[in-house]
Amino acid sequence: QQQVKQSPQSLIVQKGGISIINCAYENTAFDYFPWYQQFPGKGPALLIAIRPDVSEKKEGRFTISFNKSAKQFSLHIMDSQPGDSATYFCAASRGSTLGRLYFGRGTQLTVWP
Amino acid sequence: DARVTQTPRHKVTEMGQEVTMRCQPILGHNTVFWYRQTMMQGLELLAYFRNRAPLDDSGMPKDRFSAEMPDATLATLKIQPSEPRDSAVYFCASGLAATGSYNEQFFGPGTRLTVL
Repeated sequence: QQQVKQSPQSLIVQKGGISIINCAYENTAFDYFPWYQQFPGKGPALLIAIRPDVSEKKEGRFTISFNKSAKQFSLHIMDSQPGDSATYFCAASRGSTLGRLYFGRGTQLTVWP
Repeated sequence: DARVTQTPRHKVTEMGQEVTMRCQPILGHNTVFWYRQTMMQGLELLAYFRNRAPLDDSGMPKDRFSAEMPDATLATLKIQPSEPRDSAVYFCASGLAATGSYNEQFFGPGTRLTVL
């Protein structure tokens, strides 16, 4: 059973546009929701993370929106750049105990120049 | 520059052979994770350790996979015998579990395994 569901599977955006990736989870015990960015041939790297006590977190062009009641969270990339082309994974865990990460299936983002 | 290191980066082997992958976690981290990435299954947890003790290895096929931490600076994942369906990228990640804080998992570059 997929603990975290992610959509879309792939996304093509023009340079300067907004990229939006959505995730949903079921387990209300999750208290840590990171997004990872992965380039080909590399390991996933933490991009931004949120805890359920806030509804939004912004770091530069990257924003996480969190809806606790709907058990959904999303990543927004503003002013998307070709260098943002990568695979993005949402995840969830019991962050307070550094538990295992449950990953979504990933979204392959392509930003056209 | 603290980072997780993994060796080998690439491994091609024949079915039935033993494969050992190694991971050096970031110095001071007390939790080590092994993940496997495939196109079909995505990123899935195989096992993880805290303070060198296994906490969860439910994702690992027990008959052929084994994971150990001989010491705090080395984690190993062994497959014996290997099968073509084990072909995947294997990632090690480490982190520091500390009371009262949320902690990041840092991923290594992965070992790309091909079993012929």
